[in-house]
Amino acid sequence: EAGVVQSPRYKIIEKKQPVAFWCNPISGHNTLYWYLQNLGQGPELLIRYENEEAVDDSQLPKDRFSAERLKGVDSTLKIQPAELGDSAVYLCASTRTGEFGETQYFGPGTRLLVL
Amino acid sequence: AQSVAQPEDQVNVAEGNPLTVKCTYSVSGNPYLFWYVQYPNRGLQFLLKYITGDNLVKGSYGFEAEFNKSQTSFHLKKPSALVSDSALYFCAVRGTKAAGNKLTFGGGTRVLVKP
Repeated sequence: EAGVVQSPRYKIIEKKQPVAFWCNPISGHNTLYWYLQNLGQGPELLIRYENEEAVDDSQLPKDRFSAERLKGVDSTLKIQPAELGDSAVYLCASTRTGEFGETQYFGPGTRLLVL
Repeated sequence: AQSVAQPEDQVNVAEGNPLTVKCTYSVSGNPYLFWYVQYPNRGLQFLLKYITGDNLVKGSYGFEAEFNKSQTSFHLKKPSALVSDSALYFCAVRGTKAAGNKLTFGGGTRVLVKP
């Protein structure tokens, strides 16, 4: 089966510009996660969706970050306006359910560079 | 709060020698433990997980990990390392719902296998 798909793979923008990342989870996976990974560090959760509902967005900086998963499948993460410190890799992951034992499968990530 | 510690930033090993990557964790209740590997410019790939049962868990690519409850450890091992095992390895723990139902990652350990 196809894995988690993310696009774009790389994005370079100037600060204060908007940027959006797209994720298509594995077919049948109703739980979707967005993570932020800084260089040399482990991923940190930004938001978790169960179908189209954001059930955990406590770590999402809501002043500039937003996300949506309108039909419970694809998801978009947006930053507006971007800051220099937002340069990082944005990872999307999915599972069949949000149960504890379920394995999260990750996409290749979008590497963002803010100049 | 749950946490994961990977005490070694980098592990160097000669090809054919045993490989161990250390991980200790802290979580309320029973832990769900995971190991992921990340190759350059790639997303995280699932290696193995401990949910319950046997303390020795076998995973992909010849890796295994041993759960030790008394030492709160979940070290990753491979009897004979390959050059292609050179990558960044992440340990992760998922706690109970009360702990936020989050997957918390360690900081990662870079493994370098020399021919």
